Amino acid sequence: DAGVIQSPRHEVTEMGQEVTLRCKPISGHDYLFWYRQTMMRGLELLIYFNNNVPIDDSGMPEDRFSAKMPNASFSTLKIQPSEPRDSAVYFCASSLLQRETQYFGPGTRLLVL
Amino acid sequence: AQKVTQAQTEISVVEKEDVTLDCVYETRDTTYYLFWYKQPPSGELVFLIRRNSFDEQNEISGRYSWNFQKSTSSFNFTITASQVVDSAVYFCALRGIYNQGGKLIFGQGTELSVKP
Repeated sequence: DAGVIQSPRHEVTEMGQEVTLRCKPISGHDYLFWYRQTMMRGLELLIYFNNNVPIDDSGMPEDRFSAKMPNASFSTLKIQPSEPRDSAVYFCASSLLQRETQYFGPGTRLLVL
Repeated sequence: AQKVTQAQTEISVVEKEDVTLDCVYETRDTTYYLFWYKQPPSGELVFLIRRNSFDEQNEISGRYSWNFQKSTSSFNFTITASQVVDSAVYFCALRGIYNQGGKLIFGQGTELSVKP
């Protein structure tokens, strides 16, 4: 079975540019999570969806960040405009139920110059 | 509030040594789940184990074993006869059921280095 798929794996962009990260959850999973990993803050939850509906976006750092899930097999995390402090690894994860194990994608390593 | 503490930031051992990674958690939930994930140098997060709060049985999987003790709020991870391939950052995580919407709360991670 395919795991969580993320693209791109690496992204280098300049400050002020729009960045879009993509995620395809495991088929059949109805929870999708976006995390950010930095040296300073570790792994932190940004937002999660249940059945394509955003449930908790309290971890989204600023209005520059937005996330959508137009259907059960696709989600995007967008940063507009990007800033150097957004440089991090962004992970997408999915789970079958809220209490079940979250399986992570390979991550997108973002560098904003 | 929920919190996970991994007091060991870095551990270095020589191959074939046993090593224990500590994890202490805090939660007000009576029902919760504990997890361990491995992050090798390649960067992905690999699920290792999940434990629910009602099951305090220790678990063994090959060279890996986990010791869950509710009395001390700990969920420690032991690698027996460590190998170089075990070198990675290991994260302990907590997920409550009722508080904070079931968010997965991670510890800061323990970086394990196994030298040949």
